[in-house]
Amino acid sequence: AQSVTQPDIHITVSEGASLELRCNYSYGATPYLFWYVQSPGQGLQLLLKYFSGDTLVQGIKGFEAEFKRSQSSFNLRKPSVHWSDAAEYFCAVGPNILTGGGNKLTFGTGTQLKVEL
Amino acid sequence: NAGVTQTPKFQVLKTGQSMTLQCAQDMNHEYMSWYRQDPGMGLRLIHYSVGAGITDQGEVPNGYNVSRSTTEDFPLRLLSAAPSQTSVYFCASSYRLEGSGGYTFGSGTRLTVV
Repeated sequence: AQSVTQPDIHITVSEGASLELRCNYSYGATPYLFWYVQSPGQGLQLLLKYFSGDTLVQGIKGFEAEFKRSQSSFNLRKPSVHWSDAAEYFCAVGPNILTGGGNKLTFGTGTQLKVEL
Repeated sequence: NAGVTQTPKFQVLKTGQSMTLQCAQDMNHEYMSWYRQDPGMGLRLIHYSVGAGITDQGEVPNGYNVSRSTTEDFPLRLLSAAPSQTSVYFCASSYRLEGSGGYTFGSGTRLTVV
């Protein structure tokens, strides 16, 4: 069964500092990978996704993520964090359509980001 | 476009009561899913549907029923509410994963069972 691990429950960074949120997955084949962000009291918003091709993917709000097959990782990065980035971030993995399709996403437990001014 | 609409936004139930959480999308998405979110546990899949008339169980289906009579609607029924069902419930929809933007989520229903 697939699983997603986000080892950091809470992260605090200073505004303007760089950010990296870790995500490791367990899956039988190359999955589809996603990062979502959730602001307090809101639903989840898709930041970026990886399906295939270039392993460095760009998303909204200046975020990027790199797929590393050898490490089963899909870490989220941002060069300079803004106070408005404070939120909870979820990594998710889903089946590759070439290996069965469907859309049963498995989510990590989330990383809460706090930004200090 | 309204996207994914969930109603109600808040609900308090007594143990043993039943209710239906409504979810509607206007994007003609084939796939719809219900997740529950609990602190420290991320989102867990309750039930999902790959199209009208087709539903299947997710990770935590016990105590919940779903049906998908139309492409647009995917209601979640709590048969006999229990305190363990206190949670935030999210409905989500998508096209097939490949080429889609991933899930679009509703704004959630916060349910408290007392």
